[in-house]
Amino acid sequence: TQLLEQSPQFLSIQEGENLTVYCNSSSVFSSLQWYRQEPGEGPVLLVTVVTGGEVKKLKRLTFQFGDARKDSSLHITAAQPGDTGLYLCAGVLENNNDMRFGAGTRLTVKP
Amino acid sequence: NAGVTQTPKFQVLKTGQSMTLQCAQDMNHNSMYWYRQDPGMGLRLIYYSASEGTTDKGEVPNGYNVSRLNKREFSLRLESAAPSQTSVYFCASTEGPRGYEQYFGPGTRLTVT
Repeated sequence: TQLLEQSPQFLSIQEGENLTVYCNSSSVFSSLQWYRQEPGEGPVLLVTVVTGGEVKKLKRLTFQFGDARKDSSLHITAAQPGDTGLYLCAGVLENNNDMRFGAGTRLTVKP
Repeated sequence: NAGVTQTPKFQVLKTGQSMTLQCAQDMNHNSMYWYRQDPGMGLRLIYYSASEGTTDKGEVPNGYNVSRLNKREFSLRLESAAPSQTSVYFCASTEGPRGYEQYFGPGTRLTVT
């Protein structure tokens, strides 16, 4: 089982719809990152959150770190085809500083 | 700046063959990492190097060796490839320790038959 569980695994929506993807764990993280990966490329960092309850916005993307620092969510408003990609969360474990990645949510936004 | 570069981009090996994956970064980063990415498994850390001259095992080090040749270069060697090592391999670098932004290379798609 993954230390970081991402859901849903796959999501296919129409342009203009809103969506939320989740990253959940039973472990506590000192920081959590979200990356987006496009086919044939490496992941690219979108955001880092470090404080429980923290909310960060990046244009139409809103990231939230859970109060207990065990989970995070990514909300996209009015999705566009350019948002298509694999969204990965990654966290640094508070107890040993190891970093773990989730398996990702593969998002497809259809025009 | 090229960022993080990896060679080769694609490779097919027969079981038992050896090969070295090359990685270089031009951002003067201290830390470098090797990951493998498999469907449904996410990115798993194979080895990392926190600074020039040091290397440490990650989550899945068996069957691999690494060399931090200098500050820029970090190579991954498969001594005797196995089909279970079929994967996409990514090299990454960071300015500081874990939790800093990781800059990834474009990946190497390796198939072992």
